[in-house]
Amino acid sequence: AQSVTQPDIHITVSEGASLELRCNYSYGATPYLFWYVQSPGQGLQLLLKYFSGDTLVQGIKGFEAEFKRSQSSFNLRKPSVHWSDAAEYFCAVAPPRGNQFYFGTGTSLTVIP
Amino acid sequence: EPEVTQTPSHQVTQMGQEVILRCVPISNHLYFYWYRQILGQKVEFLVSFYNNEISEKSEIFDDQFSVERPDGSNFTLKIRSTKLEDSAMYFCASVFGTSGYNEQFFGPGTRLTVL
Repeated sequence: AQSVTQPDIHITVSEGASLELRCNYSYGATPYLFWYVQSPGQGLQLLLKYFSGDTLVQGIKGFEAEFKRSQSSFNLRKPSVHWSDAAEYFCAVAPPRGNQFYFGTGTSLTVIP
Repeated sequence: EPEVTQTPSHQVTQMGQEVILRCVPISNHLYFYWYRQILGQKVEFLVSFYNNEISEKSEIFDDQFSVERPDGSNFTLKIRSTKLEDSAMYFCASVFGTSGYNEQFFGPGTRLTVL
């Protein structure tokens, strides 16, 4: 069965520090991969997605993610975090057939001055 | 910028009552979705809807749930007889294209509290 694991429930980083949020998935083939961000009271906003090709994908707000097939991972990174990045981050996968998304449990990011 | 809207933002109901959650997807989008997120848990897929019919549904989406697009703009989720465990945040999403892998645009959610 498909599953998505985000091992870090909560991460705290200092403003200006680098960030890496982990995501591992379980699926028989390479699924389509996504990262979404949710600010308080807001809907889920797409940060970036991976379908195929270059394994390093660039997204909005300075985020990037790297797909590593051997590790079944799709970790999200940002070289320098801003206070406005404080939010909940969700990794999601969608199988190549069908349009059902599977989400991880999310990682809550706190940014301290 | 076009956005998905949902009403109400918070709904409180008594167990056994019917609730209807409303969503207005982006106007030219073709695929529509409902997800739910129980507090502290992951976002879970409920159902997808295309061309006025359900295209996929999860095991959560049992006979107590139904979806409808009563007019050209609204997309509703009905829960016929609410249970305590239906308390969750419910998100609507819509997609423009004929492929489900275009970006899903999410609404801000409706928090449903069943007492």
